[in-house]
Amino acid sequence: DAGVIQSPRHEVTEMGQEVTLRCKPISGHDYLFWYRQTMMRGLELLIYFNNNVPIDDSGMPEDRFSAKMPNASFSTLKIQPSEPRDSAVYFCASSFRRPGDNSPLHFGNGTRLTVT
Amino acid sequence: AQSVTQPDIHITVSEGASLELRCNYSYGATPYLFWYVQSPGQGLQLLLKYFSGDTLVQGIKGFEAEFKRSQSSFNLRKPSVHWSDAAEYFCAVGGGYTGTASKLTFGTGTRLQVTL
Repeated sequence: DAGVIQSPRHEVTEMGQEVTLRCKPISGHDYLFWYRQTMMRGLELLIYFNNNVPIDDSGMPEDRFSAKMPNASFSTLKIQPSEPRDSAVYFCASSFRRPGDNSPLHFGNGTRLTVT
Repeated sequence: AQSVTQPDIHITVSEGASLELRCNYSYGATPYLFWYVQSPGQGLQLLLKYFSGDTLVQGIKGFEAEFKRSQSSFNLRKPSVHWSDAAEYFCAVGGGYTGTASKLTFGTGTRLQVTL
C-alpha cells in the first residue's frame, strides 16, 4: 500500500487567500484525522471522520477552517481566508479502527503551509 | 482530560550509548500508550504501543518501553543508539472511553541528537 498520501507537500500563499489541503487515506481505513503541528502547540487534533462522517471537529480553531470527506478515499482541509498564524505542518492520518482499539495511526508526510 | 508530558525537549547521546526518553501521562482509567518517531520532513511512525498485559513492550528498531502505573510513566528505552535514531519522538495517550479512544493526545516531543 502507498500509505497516506497528502498534497501538496509545500504550500506558500498570501494572507487572505484560500488554501486547500488534500489527503488520500489508506484503502480500507475507516477513520481519518487531520492534525496540525507547530513549535508552540505541538500536535493538535483538528477533526476526525469515521466512515466519511465528521465525528468531532472541536479542535478546528475557527470558522475559517473546514474539512470534508466526500468519499472513503479523499478528504480536504480548507482554510478561507488564510492568516499568517495558520502557518504550520498539517498532517493527515488514517486508521483501520479507532486508535484506542489497538489500531495504529498511519500518518502522511504532511503539508507545510506558509502564509505570508 | 488526558494529557502527556515529555519533560526533555532535547537529548544528545553518543552512538552506542543507551537511551531513555521520559513520558508521563494523565488519564482517568487504564490508558493506551504509544510512542511515535518523526524523521525530518516525514510523518509520524508508530514505534510501539501498550494496551494491556505485559508492562514491558517491544517495538520496532530495537526500542522498548515500560508501563509503570504507579508512576504514570511510559518511558522509551534503547540499549544502544545508532546514528539513524536521530529524530523526534512523541509519546501519546488514548483510552477505551467512548470519544477518547479516537482522540490520541500527543506530548510535545523530544528531539534526539546522536553524536558519532
